[in-house]
Amino acid sequence: NAGVMQNPRHLVRRRGQEARLRCSPMKGHSHVYWYRQLPEEGLKFMVYLQKENIIDESGMPKERFSAEFPKEGPSILRIQQVVRGDSAAYFCASSPGDRAGNTIYFGEGSWLTVV
Amino acid sequence: ELKVEQNPLFLSMQEEKNYTIYCNYSTTSDRLYWYRQDPGKSLESLFVLLSNGAVKQEGRLMASLDTKARLSTLHITAAVHDLSATYFCAVVLFGNEKLTFGTGTRLTIIP
Repeated sequence: NAGVMQNPRHLVRRRGQEARLRCSPMKGHSHVYWYRQLPEEGLKFMVYLQKENIIDESGMPKERFSAEFPKEGPSILRIQQVVRGDSAAYFCASSPGDRAGNTIYFGEGSWLTVV
Repeated sequence: ELKVEQNPLFLSMQEEKNYTIYCNYSTTSDRLYWYRQDPGKSLESLFVLLSNGAVKQEGRLMASLDTKARLSTLHITAAVHDLSATYFCAVVLFGNEKLTFGTGTRLTIIP
């Protein structure tokens, strides 16, 4: 899983600021997923992207959150006007998209703290 | 809506003992994953189970899948301290690539 690169690893933002989290998938992987983990809880799906396309965003909050995976560069999860409840670990995962038994690899996570 | 439940949520066990973590899910799935997470760390992939009756083993951990019962188990044999972690199962539905995670089982191995 070391191949999925996330940055920053830790981010502190004041309420009302914007947070941008970046994810570079493993080499050869064209599918990116974002998950959120609140303290002492499991991971919750947020969004699934392929290059330049959002495939499934059913887990994204309706406001303030957006995600993209441009043709060039990393996937970005953007949180506008952060609130304390956004404090969580945000994990990115990637896969090659071939459903035949492939492992989905996770990055090291980005820990967001809103103060 | 797919629901994935694990039990127990917390498990303290002595070294050298055996135990099993259970993962039940509510809808026919395409495949099932087991992950390990240490505190403040990312998820480490342990197993991917694809078909009914699948069994995979790595060291002291063995995972199995019964698709008819919608049940997977993670069996720990002769536990050692470095297996202490939180273990998650996660399910993927047919035609959908997102993981739905179970609640996690926090395992503590006591010397």
